[in-house]
Amino acid sequence: GQNIDQPTEMTATEGAIVQINCTYQTSGFNGLFWYQQHAGEAPTFLSYNVLDGLEEKGRFSSFLSRSKGYSYLLLKELQMKDSASYLCAVRDSNYQLIWGAGTKLIIKP
Amino acid sequence: NAGVTQTPKFRILKIGQSMTLQCTQDMNHNYMYWYRQDPGMGLKLIYYSVGAGITDKGEVPNGYNVSRSTTEDFPLRLELAAPSQTSVYFCASGIQENTEAFFGQGTRLTVV
Repeated sequence: GQNIDQPTEMTATEGAIVQINCTYQTSGFNGLFWYQQHAGEAPTFLSYNVLDGLEEKGRFSSFLSRSKGYSYLLLKELQMKDSASYLCAVRDSNYQLIWGAGTKLIIKP
Repeated sequence: NAGVTQTPKFRILKIGQSMTLQCTQDMNHNYMYWYRQDPGMGLKLIYYSVGAGITDKGEVPNGYNVSRSTTEDFPLRLELAAPSQTSVYFCASGIQENTEAFFGQGTRLTVV
């Protein structure tokens, strides 16, 4: 079967750095997405990786290793507004998007 | 710029009733999707469309129907509502498969 694994919940301190991991087992691979979802709101796009390596976008970076079936989202200089769920999604060989259950990130002052 | 608009935001249905969840996008996107999101679970694709007149089943299509008569609109129809359809429903659109999807604000549906 196809599976996306993310930690259920993480806690970090304002101003710190946090890394949210995502491992996947899918039938083929055609790209990996990270989305942010605040409670009660719609998911919003953060990043897209299709090749191995690090993609940096401001305070957020996303890393991909296709051989390991692994990605992480790195958030720097954490702010209270970063408290949200972070969703990892992988597009498989049929171009279907498989979603993880999300990681709830709690930021403490 | 409206983006993706879903209506209604909240709805309570009785078992066996039917309803249509509306979704409209003004970005001229070819791809549109309907997802459901249940607590502790990843988003599940119900139906999707790659253009006007074309629809395809996703992972969990049973109990739902869709149509795509125009590029802008992608309504989701629930026939004979069941408690298992209690969920948050999101409509999304995108330019193509490997680009970001833009989501509507969601419809919280409760079937009692």
